[in-house]
This record gives sequence, C-alpha cells and structure tokens, in this order.
Amino acid sequence: GESVGLHLPTLSVQEGDNSIINCAYSNSASDYFIWYKQESGKGPQFIIDIRSNMDKRQGQRVTVLLNKTVKHLSLQIAATQPGDSAVYFCAETPNQAGTALIFGKGTTLSVSS
Amino acid sequence: DAMVIQNPRYQVTQFGKPVTLSCSQTLNHNVMYWYQQKSSQAPKLLFHYYDKDFNNEADTPDNFQSRRPNTSFCFLDIRSPGLGDAAMYLCATSWDRGYEQYFGPGTRLTVT
Repeated sequence: GESVGLHLPTLSVQEGDNSIINCAYSNSASDYFIWYKQESGKGPQFIIDIRSNMDKRQGQRVTVLLNKTVKHLSLQIAATQPGDSAVYFCAETPNQAGTALIFGKGTTLSVSS
Repeated sequence: DAMVIQNPRYQVTQFGKPVTLSCSQTLNHNVMYWYQQKSSQAPKLLFHYYDKDFNNEADTPDNFQSRRPNTSFCFLDIRSPGLGDAAMYLCATSWDRGYEQYFGPGTRLTVT
C-alpha cells in the first residue's frame, strides 16, 4: 500500500545547530502534509503544515519544504534547542474523499547541549 | 482554551475485561479520530467519525468499537482486551478530514 516514510529513524545534533528531518511520500495525489512533534508520553503536537500548491512554508524557527517532483518533504529547525528533542512524524492526506491522515514512521531527534 | 481531553490518562485492565476510554473536545470539530500507538511506532488509525457517520479502517479488529453520542464526546470500547492491545490510545479532532488534526494527551492502556 502507499505510505509515508522517513529517511532516518534517528538524528542527533548539537544545541544551536540547524536540523533537517526528511520524509518521502509515495502517493502523488496527496495534497496536504503536516509535521507533528511528539514528546515522550504525550500526544502529537502540530508544528507546521503545507498544501500541495506550495513549495515552502515558514513558521517560528521551522520551515517545511515540499518537492512534488521527487515526492519529498522536509522539516528544517533553526537553532535547535534541547526542548526540540522528540519524535517527529510527517503525515499526508491523500486527495481521496473520506481519507484521513497517513503517518510516516517517525524520526527521533536528540539535541545535546 | 479549546482542547481535546482524554480520560483517564492511565488505565489498567485485566485480560478479557471490557474497558472504555473517553475523549471530549471543546473545538466543535466535525471529525473525531481514534488512534492506537505502540512503542516506537507511528499512530495507527482505528476509526473516525465524521459527524455521526462512522468510518472503520479495514484492518481494525472487531474487538474495537466506538460511540459518538454527541459532537463533543467520543468513546473507544475494547470488548475483550488482549495483551497485544496494550498501547497508547490517542484521540484527535479536525474540522474536516483534509485538515489539521488536534490530538489529546492520550490514554496509556495496560493489560494484565
């Protein structure tokens, strides 16, 4: 079946570095993508989203890039902080009526001081 | 603040003993979802309600049921929990199916 996946299960960075978390998706019909952050023992928390008619969207310290040609999604975190340590999931909504989010497998980001 | 609330946060049940998990929302969203999340895995959608319309995922076991008596509340019933049903259960809501989902804090279910 079609699914959303992440390139790396873990990413370790130093505090202050920029982090890039990648995600590949296989459903070319997907039109909405979300990045979630999940801290241990908590529910996923919305970070940023992007629709397929955009290539880039920026938030506070985060940027999402969408490359529809190669079906690739990335999350960039600027000046990574220890509080950014968590599991990051990308999720997509295929452009089909009645279909809910499909989550990727997650990348664990570890930030050391 | 508008939010998604799950009760209880931790639930222990015995093998085969029915258990109900609760979710409520103050967002007035049309869609409510139930996910199962096991350790180090992505959330897995069990089912969702679009208003009163129930949508079951094809691979959700019959052991899992859901009720949505009104817009604000949604329940997850596990009729005969097995050891493999121990997991975090997440409730989420969204305005519509193609929109951002807001998650509750989850209920950690332990089956003894």
